Amino acid sequence: GAGVSQSPSNKVTEKGKDVELRCDPISGHTALYWYRQSLGQGLEFLIYFQGNSAPDKSGLPSDRFSAERTGGSVSTLTIQRTQQEDSAVYLCASSDRGRAQETQYFGPGTRLLVL
Amino acid sequence: GNSVTQMEGPVTLSEEAFLTINCTYTATGYPSLFWYVQYPGEGLQLLLKATKADDKGSNKGFEATYRKETTSFHLEKGSVQVSDSAVYFCALVSGTYKYIFGTGTRLKVLA
Repeated sequence: GAGVSQSPSNKVTEKGKDVELRCDPISGHTALYWYRQSLGQGLEFLIYFQGNSAPDKSGLPSDRFSAERTGGSVSTLTIQRTQQEDSAVYLCASSDRGRAQETQYFGPGTRLLVL
Repeated sequence: GNSVTQMEGPVTLSEEAFLTINCTYTATGYPSLFWYVQYPGEGLQLLLKATKADDKGSNKGFEATYRKETTSFHLEKGSVQVSDSAVYFCALVSGTYKYIFGTGTRLKVLA
């Protein structure tokens, strides 16, 4: 079946502008994750959604970052007042039920460049 | 805390050479271990995984064995191809859903 999809694939924006990144998880997966892949820093966890539970936002780097998941499916990651250090690849993943140690399946990512 | 350490790249090999990419970990509890691969311009793809000690994960000619005594999960392939050129990430998850990734190892295979 279809995998995790993300849009846009690339985004170039000016410092101070807001951006929205979209993620469509695998159909039927109840858990959704956002990660950030920065140059030379590997991947870091940002946020986790599971069903109707309150999201785990512990990885969000600042209050400029927020995410929502509507209807238990599509998720949007919003970065307000972008800074150059926000430039990175933002990866979305989904898994079946969000249980501990469950395999996560990743999308192709959105490459964000803040000028 | 939990962590993953991978050998630094880039690793450059000739086609048909033997590949080893080292991965060691520190974790509490009983982690599951993963290798993900990222081909140029693409997202992460699960390559293989192992969920308990002495398990061997394998896929596409790649193998890795979960060694609890040495806290390692080294990736191996007997004969690499140009198409294996990619970045390889070792990852663990232990008692939670938050994956811990290594920094990645870039592999370049020359024809």
